[in-house]
Amino acid sequence: GDSVTQMEGPVTLSEEAFLTINCTYTATGYPSLFWYVQYPGEGLQLLLKATKADDKGSNKGFEATYRKETTSFHLEKGSVQVSDSAVYFCALSDQNTNAGKSTFGDGTTLTVKP
Amino acid sequence: EAGVAQSPRYKIIEKRQSVAFWCNPISGHATLYWYQQILGQGPKLLIQFQNNGVVDDSQLPKDRFSAERLKGVDSTLKIQPAKLEDSAVYLCASSTSAMDTQYFGPGTRLTVL
Repeated sequence: GDSVTQMEGPVTLSEEAFLTINCTYTATGYPSLFWYVQYPGEGLQLLLKATKADDKGSNKGFEATYRKETTSFHLEKGSVQVSDSAVYFCALSDQNTNAGKSTFGDGTTLTVKP
Repeated sequence: EAGVAQSPRYKIIEKRQSVAFWCNPISGHATLYWYQQILGQGPKLLIQFQNNGVVDDSQLPKDRFSAERLKGVDSTLKIQPAKLEDSAVYLCASSTSAMDTQYFGPGTRLTVL
């Protein structure tokens, strides 16, 4: 079945540091890929997405590129802020063989210190 | 635009009791999801509806969990009887279609004693 593997956390960085959170996936079809974020005390919300190979999703300074050859969708940000502290989830929706079934990774907790 | 509504927000029950959760998705969203999120883990899909039909329920423990989506709008998730390991946050989400962005409700935190 489909699966999403995220780098284990927690991740602690100083403000203005470079961030990478790794995400790899296994899917039998051609999935859409997503990063969702959960800020402290809030619900899950979309951060960015990509729907086909080589697409780059971006939002709030975060970027991720859909790499079909490496089945990856790593999240990056050039300079993190304290307000980026949150839990980040990589997810996929697999249309072709699973009618859009949704699969999430286990999440990576990011703490940014001033 | 109103978001996804869920109730109750918190529930504490004894093991072997029954509990039901309610979800009202964003108007016009055809796809509705129920997830179980155990502390420290990612959301696990329990059941996914497309309108009022089930797309996937492969991870729903059908001996104790049931879900329905009447008229393709509101949905209820029931657990009967509850076990200690059912303690989790139950999330409802909706999207315009199965491949689109999901919008999440605030969740129901269930504690089974």
